[in-house]
Amino acid sequence: GQNIDQPTEMTATEGAIVQINCTYQTSGFNGLFWYQQHAGEAPTFLSYNVLDGLEEKGRFSSFLSRSKGYSYLLLKELQMKDSASYLCAVLDSNYQLIWGAGTKLIIKP
Amino acid sequence: IAGITQAPTSQILAAGRRMTLRCTQDMRHNAMYWYRQDLGLGLRLIHYSNTAGTTGKGEVPDGYSVSRANTDDFPLTLASAVPSQTSVYFCASSDSGTGGNEQFFGPGTRLTVL
Repeated sequence: GQNIDQPTEMTATEGAIVQINCTYQTSGFNGLFWYQQHAGEAPTFLSYNVLDGLEEKGRFSSFLSRSKGYSYLLLKELQMKDSASYLCAVLDSNYQLIWGAGTKLIIKP
Repeated sequence: IAGITQAPTSQILAAGRRMTLRCTQDMRHNAMYWYRQDLGLGLRLIHYSNTAGTTGKGEVPDGYSVSRANTDDFPLTLASAVPSQTSVYFCASSDSGTGGNEQFFGPGTRLTVL
């Protein structure tokens, strides 16, 4: 079966750094996405990785290791507005997105 | 219209009733998708369409049908609603159904079936 695992909830302090991990087992791999979803709102795109390595985009970075079936999202200089759920999703061999349940990130002052 | 819209925003429906959730995008995207999101579960694909005139089944298609008569619209119909279809429904679109194209999401429809 296909499976995406990520922690259910994490807590971090404003101004700090947090790393949200995602491991996956899917039928084929055509890339991995990270989305942000604030409570009661729609998911919005953060990053896409298809090759191994680190992609940096401002305060957010995303890493991929295809051999390990592993990715992480790194958030630096945390702000209160970063409190949200972070969704990991893998594009499988049929180009369908398989979604993790999301990690709820709580930022404390 | 800017982006992708859904209607209604929320709905309470009696079990057994028929309901159509509407989705419209103005980005001329080829691919469109319907997901449901339930607490503790990831987004689950119900149906998709890679281009106007074609549709496909996702992970949880039972009890739902879709049509794609044109590029912009992708309605989702519940023929006879059941309480297990209580969920938040998101419509999404992307430039292509193949390849690493980001999906853009509508604001969602919160559906309660009693």
